Formats: sequence, C-alpha cells, structure tokens
Amino acid sequence: NAGVTQTPKFQVLKTGQSMTLQCAQDMNHNSMYWYRQDPGMGLRLIYYSASEGTTDKGEVPNGYNVSRLNKREFSLRLESAAPSQTSVYFCASSRGNSYGYTFGSGTRLTVV
Amino acid sequence: QKEVEQNSGPLSVPEGAIASLNCTYSDRGSQSFFWYRQYSGKSPELIMSIYSNGDKEDGRFTAQLNKASQYVSLLIRDSQPSDSATYLCAAARDNYGQNFVFGPGTRLSVLP
Repeated sequence: NAGVTQTPKFQVLKTGQSMTLQCAQDMNHNSMYWYRQDPGMGLRLIYYSASEGTTDKGEVPNGYNVSRLNKREFSLRLESAAPSQTSVYFCASSRGNSYGYTFGSGTRLTVV
Repeated sequence: QKEVEQNSGPLSVPEGAIASLNCTYSDRGSQSFFWYRQYSGKSPELIMSIYSNGDKEDGRFTAQLNKASQYVSLLIRDSQPSDSATYLCAAARDNYGQNFVFGPGTRLSVLP
C-alpha cells in the first residue's frame, strides 16, 4: 500500500531550468494538492485539484503550473526555476476534507 | 483570512511528563480538526482528528476541541524522546477544495 508517491526526492536546478514534480496516489482519492514548506512559513498551498479534470490556484501559484493527468496523478511544473522556489514540496491527497490529508514523502528542491 | 495559530515553541518537557500543545482558529465555519506530527526532514503524518466538542483519546494522545472558544489542543501523556517533532494543527471547513488551513506548527522537544 504505497499511499502517495512523489518523485524525485531531491533535485538541484539552475536558474531558468524547468522541471516537473510527479505525484501519484493509489487510494482512489478525488482531491490532490501541492504544497511548499519553507522555514518559518509553514505549509502553503500552491495548487489543488478537487476532482479529476479540475485544478485551482492556491495561496502561492505564481511560477507554477499543474496537470491532473488522471485520478491517480497530479504533476507540478516549474517552467523557469528561480532561487525563490527553493523549498520542500509536498503532494497530498484526500477523499474529503473531513478525512484529513495523506502526504507524500516530499521533494527537496534547490535552485542555484 | 482564515487562520490557524500555534505557538512556534520550542516546547520542552521532560521524559514522562504531559506535553500540551495548543491551537486557535479564526473560521467559525471550521468543522473538522486535525493534528499532524512532522519529524525533521519528513512529511506530515496524521495522528488525530476531532469533530465534536470534548475530548478524544487514542493511546497516549488526547485531542480536545472547544468550538465556542475556537480552541483545539493535543495532550501527549508519558512523553517520550521519540515524540520530539513539530506538531501541526489544521482546520477544515468544507468537504472539498482548499478550505483546509494548517497552522505553522509547534516544535516539541522531549528531554531524556
């Protein structure tokens, strides 16, 4: 029972490079989320997908795009990475807010 | 702006003592409340959920909710060094979407 799987676990990018963070869940959850976590800032929502085929902006969407590929997969793309995007990124999924979220193991991204 | 507030800590308690973690929330429409534990370098892990006023016990953990005071707490009895982590409080309003707000977390240190 894998839960929420994120890849890669670590990544170093140069400013201006692009990359896609992958997330997949095997719990048949409708909703999926991308968060970033920075020291002193807590968890901040980047984008979410309430159900397959829908995506919406969260608190800090600038510089990111997402794709809900199917019910299982929700990817986060950085088109032109900036040092301000250095962070730990977490994907999460849920079958509804009242059930809480299940988080992936995270991607530690450094942009130099 | 919906907010969840927590003391950042660190909260230091001796091994075997009761650790008390507190959280307040601003949105009176919040219906579900959660406590997550996050070890350093790891992802948040759901440890307790509570929906009704009063206490909910699970092993050494007790969650307390007072909706009138907009207050949630987590008690950890017989604290162990392995409980040393950051504890995130979260409040959820609707069943879907982004109405799920995390607090900044309280760092707990249990001293042997």
